[in-house]
Amino acid sequence: SQQGEEDPQALSIQEGENATMNCSYKTSINNLQWYRQNSGRGLVHLILIRSNEREKHSGRLRVTLDTSKKSSSLLITASRAADTASYFCATRKETSGSRLTFGEGTQLTVNP
Amino acid sequence: EPEVTQTPSHQVTQMGQEVILRCVPISNHLYFYWYRQILGQKVEFLVSFYNNEISEKSEIFDDQFSVERPDGSNFTLKIRSTKLEDSAMYFCASLPGAMNTEAFFGQGTRLTVV
Repeated sequence: SQQGEEDPQALSIQEGENATMNCSYKTSINNLQWYRQNSGRGLVHLILIRSNEREKHSGRLRVTLDTSKKSSSLLITASRAADTASYFCATRKETSGSRLTFGEGTQLTVNP
Repeated sequence: EPEVTQTPSHQVTQMGQEVILRCVPISNHLYFYWYRQILGQKVEFLVSFYNNEISEKSEIFDDQFSVERPDGSNFTLKIRSTKLEDSAMYFCASLPGAMNTEAFFGQGTRLTVV
């Protein structure tokens, strides 16, 4: 399997529910980032969590990082129809300026 | 708020033709990247550029691809002889330099090779 795998691949929920997406990776990292992409559009940065952090919040977003398990989760609380998008995790290794390695993504659909 | 801009937003080209995708990264950023995303797939790294030279490239970035920063502001990706499988969304990104900062992505150029 590849660096940065998300599960589930697709998630369909009702408005108001919480959505949890998971990401696993293989190598040691400097940080992990979550991005959102509306269909056919650009990548919007959501949140960055450093390897020495365990949890981070931003508005309705909560990200956790477990470096021992090489996994992260993104929780969106009180979801809205406008949250419908693809969500990708991306990891950066410890080398300065190194590439981001993206996961396969989770397609989230929030039904009104 | 500063942003990365890419032009054109959509380009259609004949197989075998050369294309140049253009990007204006955020000024004072130090690292520049090209990524691509084939429809329905994940985002893949192509190349990174630092201090006026390629710092890293992926297996995808073969001799058909080249990058330039000709004038200190634009950052271009050239595909010499396009193939059908080059059809994808191409994203430019820039990074200030510090490790623990987000990469800023452009809106992408959708390249369609016919």
